[in-house]
Amino acid sequence: KAGVTQTPRYLIKTRGQQVTLSCSPISGHRSVSWYQQTPGQGLQFLFEYFSETQRNKGNFPGRFSGRQFSNSRSEMNVSTLELGDSALYLCASSLGTTHGETQYFGPGTRLLVL
Amino acid sequence: QQQVKQSPQSLIVQKGGISIINCAYENTAFDYFPWYQQFPGKGPALLIAIRPDVSEKKEGRFTISFNKSAKQFSLHIMDSQPGDSATYFCAATQQGGSEKLVFGKGTKLTVNP
Repeated sequence: KAGVTQTPRYLIKTRGQQVTLSCSPISGHRSVSWYQQTPGQGLQFLFEYFSETQRNKGNFPGRFSGRQFSNSRSEMNVSTLELGDSALYLCASSLGTTHGETQYFGPGTRLLVL
Repeated sequence: QQQVKQSPQSLIVQKGGISIINCAYENTAFDYFPWYQQFPGKGPALLIAIRPDVSEKKEGRFTISFNKSAKQFSLHIMDSQPGDSATYFCAATQQGGSEKLVFGKGTKLTVNP
């Protein structure tokens, strides 16, 4: 079974631009969560989608948004990029039907904002 | 507010030694505690997890000890190997219709040969 895939793997943007990251979950998984990983703050939850609905949202500004499609693929968008948005963005997928299921992480998208 | 505190930040162990990483949590609603292992350039991968109704869980060389009254849990890696060198994250989650994980800040483990 193929794992979680994320595209692109690396991205360089400049301040003020916007960016869209993509995540394809494991086949059959309906929950997709996004996390931001930085050396200073560690892994922080951005949001979770289940069956195209946002189920939970972390404490990030409205510049961070996401969506999920009917095939469970998910995208996250960051508008008006700031230097502090430089990070590794990870998505994780799970079946999403039982509490405490294993979440499988993708390799991440490394975003650098100049 | 950091809901899961992890220590130490870094750890160096000799091959064959025991690695111990500790975590403490504040939210008593947490009811599932996984540990993740992350290698450079990779996403975190689930290592082992525990629920608060048991005090210990062992899988191979990896053991979680859980102290509900103290709101602490720890990961023990027995017979540590150089291949165990990675960053380890403890995490916690609670019921409520979401799979949101709250992570500790990570421990970078180096196992010297």
